[in-house]
Amino acid sequence: AQSVAQPEDQVNVAEGNPLTVKCTYSVSGNPYLFWYVQYPNRGLQFLLKYITGDNLVKGSYGFEAEFNKSQTSFHLKKPSALVSDSALYFCAVRDMRSGAGSYQLTFGKGTKLSVIP
Amino acid sequence: ETGVTQTPRHLVMGMTNKKSLKCEQHLGHNAMYWYKQSAKKPLELMFVYNFKEQTENNSVPSRFSPECPNSSHLFLHLHTLQPEDSALYLCASSQDPSGQVFSGANVLTFGAGSRLTVL
Repeated sequence: AQSVAQPEDQVNVAEGNPLTVKCTYSVSGNPYLFWYVQYPNRGLQFLLKYITGDNLVKGSYGFEAEFNKSQTSFHLKKPSALVSDSALYFCAVRDMRSGAGSYQLTFGKGTKLSVIP
Repeated sequence: ETGVTQTPRHLVMGMTNKKSLKCEQHLGHNAMYWYKQSAKKPLELMFVYNFKEQTENNSVPSRFSPECPNSSHLFLHLHTLQPEDSALYLCASSQDPSGQVFSGANVLTFGAGSRLTVL
C-alpha cells in the first residue's frame, strides 16, 4: 500500500519569506513523487516530480522539492514567497512496484498556503 | 486553459435526476481519469481509461457510470445520487507509454472540474 501525509492543513507565510510545505510518504518500493497546485476554481496543475537521480528537484514558478529517502519526505520549498503563490498544494506518490498497468496515484489531502502581503 | 475541458462547471441536481458530466482533451493523450475532490480529503481516483478501455474502477458505487467513446472524450453519468456525492469532480488525462520504464511517472493534466451539488 502507498500513502501520503501532509501534516499541515494550512501554512501562512509573509511575502518575501521562504516557504515550506511538508509531505511524507509510505511505499513498499521506491517512490515516484509529485507536487501539484490548485488555484481557486481551477483544476490541479503539475509543479514538479521526482523519479530518480538528484534529490533536489526544481519545478515551475521557482518551486523546488527535496527528496529525503531516510526521512521518507518530499517537502516543497521556495526561497521567497509571492502573494500569487497562495493556493492549495497537493503531494502525490506512486510506488514504482505498482507496475505499468496500475494508475493508482495517491494524493495527500492538501495544504492551503496563504502568503500575506 | 490546460487542454482538458469539463462541462458543466456547476451542476445542481436532485437525488432522482439523471445527469452527465463531460470531459474533452485536446492533448492527444491516451489515458483519461475521473477523480472526486471533497473538502479536506485526499483526491479519490474513481475510474481510469487507457485507449478507451477501463483499467481501474476503485469500488465506485454503480450510481456513477463512466463512458469513454474515444481517447478524447470521457463522460460520467450520474443517477440516483446521494447528498454525500456533492463534490468537485475532476477529469484528467495523461500520455501513457505502457511498457516503458517510467510509465508510472506520467504527469496528469487536469480540467477545471465540475462542481456537483446533490439536493
